[in-house]
Amino acid sequence: AQSVTQLGSHVSVSEGALVLLRCNYSSSVPPYLFWYVQYPNQGLQLLLKYTSAATLVKGINGFEAEFKKSETSFHLTKPSAHMSDAAEYFCAVSGAGANNLFFGTGTRLTVIP
Amino acid sequence: GAGVSQSPSNKVTEKGKDVELRCDPISGHTALYWYRQSLGQGLEFLIYFQGNSAPDKSGLPSDRFSAERTGGSVSTLTIQRTQQEDSAVYLCASSLIQGGGTDTQYFGPGTRLTVL
Repeated sequence: AQSVTQLGSHVSVSEGALVLLRCNYSSSVPPYLFWYVQYPNQGLQLLLKYTSAATLVKGINGFEAEFKKSETSFHLTKPSAHMSDAAEYFCAVSGAGANNLFFGTGTRLTVIP
Repeated sequence: GAGVSQSPSNKVTEKGKDVELRCDPISGHTALYWYRQSLGQGLEFLIYFQGNSAPDKSGLPSDRFSAERTGGSVSTLTIQRTQQEDSAVYLCASSLIQGGGTDTQYFGPGTRLTVL
């Protein structure tokens, strides 16, 4: 079975501050992990994915995430928040041969000017 | 190129009516997925199509839900006798080969369904 838990349904940061969105996973097989972003009234867009290569994954818009097996975590970070980062972020997990992604409940990021 | 498109963007219906939601995947993508996004919840997998194989229907919440994919391209999700708890955003995604693993799923903008 596979699942993800996103800690914090809402996160607020000041513009220029560090962004940290937390994701912990559970998987009975080696996981593949994804972060998606959803802007208002838009579909989900892939930010980055971990597919068992490098544990530190760099994505679009300056985001990155680190796969930590010992902590079963895949937290998303960005050194300096921008107003345009305000959106909802979803962590998802799958495994080899899986037919679908298992998503977390999402974290809404607010950036305060 | 064109992304995944869905229609209608919004649908309001009365309880008990049937609705059809349409998805046009990215050209050449063999895998197609339907998800449901309810208020305050994450995305819930509904159904998966891969080429000519039998679909994976394991996520459909009841027999009121069904989906077809014609000619390996366009897909229609049908909800019969809609209930208020069916109100949600229905998202379609496609991937080149098979998502889930490492293949990236590309999502459409969704159809917001409201059942009165």
